[in-house]
Amino acid sequence: GENVEQHPSTLSVQEGDSAVIKCTYSDSASNYFPWYKQELGKGPQLIIDIRSNVGEKKDQRIAVTLNKTAKHFSLHITETQPEDSAVYFCAASIENNFNKFYFGSGTKLNVKP
Amino acid sequence: NAGVTQTPKFRVLKTGQSMTLLCAQDMNHEYMYWYRQDPGMGLRLIHYSVGEGTTAKGEVPDGYNVSRLKKQNFLLGLESAAPSQTSVYFCASGTVNTGELFFGEGSRLTVL
Repeated sequence: GENVEQHPSTLSVQEGDSAVIKCTYSDSASNYFPWYKQELGKGPQLIIDIRSNVGEKKDQRIAVTLNKTAKHFSLHITETQPEDSAVYFCAASIENNFNKFYFGSGTKLNVKP
Repeated sequence: NAGVTQTPKFRVLKTGQSMTLLCAQDMNHEYMYWYRQDPGMGLRLIHYSVGEGTTAKGEVPDGYNVSRLKKQNFLLGLESAAPSQTSVYFCASGTVNTGELFFGEGSRLTVL
């Protein structure tokens, strides 16, 4: 099955700095890569996703990049704010066959004011 | 709009006891999932369902059973709880169209 690895496990940045979280996947059939944000005491919530037919996607301060050849994708958060502090998960799946999502182990992001 | 609701939110069991976690969604989603979340291990899929009356095993199904008798409900059962099942359990639902998963707020289970 798919194996998704995520780094780093913890990340501490100063408010206003950028944060980058990286994931790798093993199954070349995977073509859908979402990112989820989990705030304390809550369930994860989708913040952005990317499909394998594009290399980059942006949504305000958040961007995701995908390198299919190297089988890795990254989440970029610019101008970080304290409310960005949370646990972030990457995942991989196969579009139109969402039987299984394989999640990374999570990154705890701490944005210091 | 309630989304995905899990009950109970907290439960303490003794080894060998049984219990059922209930997940309900009001979005008419076809897919439903049960995950467990453990420190440093992310979210691991226990069982999932692609429609009413169907269930399938995920990555870590041992010690759990599930049922989906109604489209909106997905039940996770522990027949004989073990300390290794101490975890936070999340239910999620989704559609084949978008791929977005909607998670409940989690159920924290402690097995003594």
